[in-house]
Amino acid sequence: GAGVSQSPSNKVTEKGKDVELRCDPISGHTALYWYRQSLGQGLEFLIYFQGNSAPDKSGLPSDRFSAERTGGSVSTLTIQRTQQEDSAVYLCASSPGQVANYGYTFGSGTRLTVV
Amino acid sequence: GENVEQHPSTLSVQEGDSAVIKCTYSDSASNYFPWYKQELGKRPQLIIDIRSNVGEKKDQRIAVTLNKTAKHFSLHITETQPEDSAVYFCAASSRGYGQNFVFGPGTRLSVLP
Repeated sequence: GAGVSQSPSNKVTEKGKDVELRCDPISGHTALYWYRQSLGQGLEFLIYFQGNSAPDKSGLPSDRFSAERTGGSVSTLTIQRTQQEDSAVYLCASSPGQVANYGYTFGSGTRLTVV
Repeated sequence: GENVEQHPSTLSVQEGDSAVIKCTYSDSASNYFPWYKQELGKRPQLIIDIRSNVGEKKDQRIAVTLNKTAKHFSLHITETQPEDSAVYFCAASSRGYGQNFVFGPGTRLSVLP
């Protein structure tokens, strides 16, 4: 597609429920990243995919968080048993290759509110 | 791993004045340094970047300088305008050729009319 697409744009969920956030990167971009941005805060790295594999999962805050990517394209970030502290904007970004040669293109994000 | 610090956290300037935001990084292997601008409620967007083999890069009113020896880089905005008001994030590639960026905590720039 023309840009990085994320869905839903907004999600309100009850504490304890599971949520799935979707990211559709720019066509042909092999690298995909998930970041979390709490209100008024910076960008917290969660996970990185090169193709379908995730060589770096170091940023996932707990085992309630998981992510997968299939077909080298769409990625899903799943948060199980959501907690109020999970409330944030979840940003996805993609890149054509090694990030040292290219910058990211970010999606518009999914605003998650856990009530 | 890489650690990026950014100062100041907030900056207010009069329209037409210059603004400077400074970042330091820890990993001498980092070799690519982008700057992102995030307007309220919008996605971060790349505004300028610099590679480690270059000391300065300019694009109209914005410029970035890099001092690899001191491991710091700076964003300079001249002739500021109200539409420059936003949060600015610096970043450094991690692990040498870079598998992700480490971002600074951001600077909230307000340009006062």
